[in-house]
Amino acid sequence: AQSVTQPDIHITVSEGASLELRCNYSYGATPYLFWYVQSPGQGLQLLLKYFSGDTLVQGIKGFEAEFKRSQSSFNLRKPSVHWSDAAEYFCAVYHQFYNNNDMRFGAGTRLTVKP
Amino acid sequence: SQTIHQWPATLVQPVGSPLSLECTVEGTSNPNLYWYRQAAGRGLQLLFYSVGIGQISSEVPQNLSASRPQDRQFILSSKKLLLSDSGFYLCAWSRADGYTFGSGTRLTVV
Repeated sequence: AQSVTQPDIHITVSEGASLELRCNYSYGATPYLFWYVQSPGQGLQLLLKYFSGDTLVQGIKGFEAEFKRSQSSFNLRKPSVHWSDAAEYFCAVYHQFYNNNDMRFGAGTRLTVKP
Repeated sequence: SQTIHQWPATLVQPVGSPLSLECTVEGTSNPNLYWYRQAAGRGLQLLFYSVGIGQISSEVPQNLSASRPQDRQFILSSKKLLLSDSGFYLCAWSRADGYTFGSGTRLTVV
């Protein structure tokens, strides 16, 4: 079955430290890949996406993600975390051959930033 | 410009009362629309999606229903709310480059 896994439910990092949030997917072919961020009580905002081409994609707020086909991963990174990055992060995948209802989300990773 | 509106932002309703949450999009036509629920500490669960007026698909059996009376309007309803209906409800619209989400409705059933 197709699935999206975010292994870390909760991560705590110090302000200024680097960050990596993990995402793995299991699909028969390379899907479209997304990272969304959700601040408390808010909707989801798109950080970045990968459709094809360069496997390292840049997003908003200084985030980047790297698609690794061999590992079926799409990990989100940021070199220096700011306190305002504290939020919940969702990885999502979409395959063009699936039905219209097939954007699959991971369970989310909650990021806490220590001062 | 293309935007999505969702209201109300917060709602506290007693058990057994009806529910109506509204979502509208602007700047596009014939969008695919979605209702998600996010329970506390959990990911997003797709409840309903719609590819056109009057066309509703349900992903999970539940106490809720959805309707699409107009091209850019998507409504989530319930005749009698349960405590388990509490959660954060998100409307979304699919575009070629991904989904755009509304700001969400926090529903607390008491």
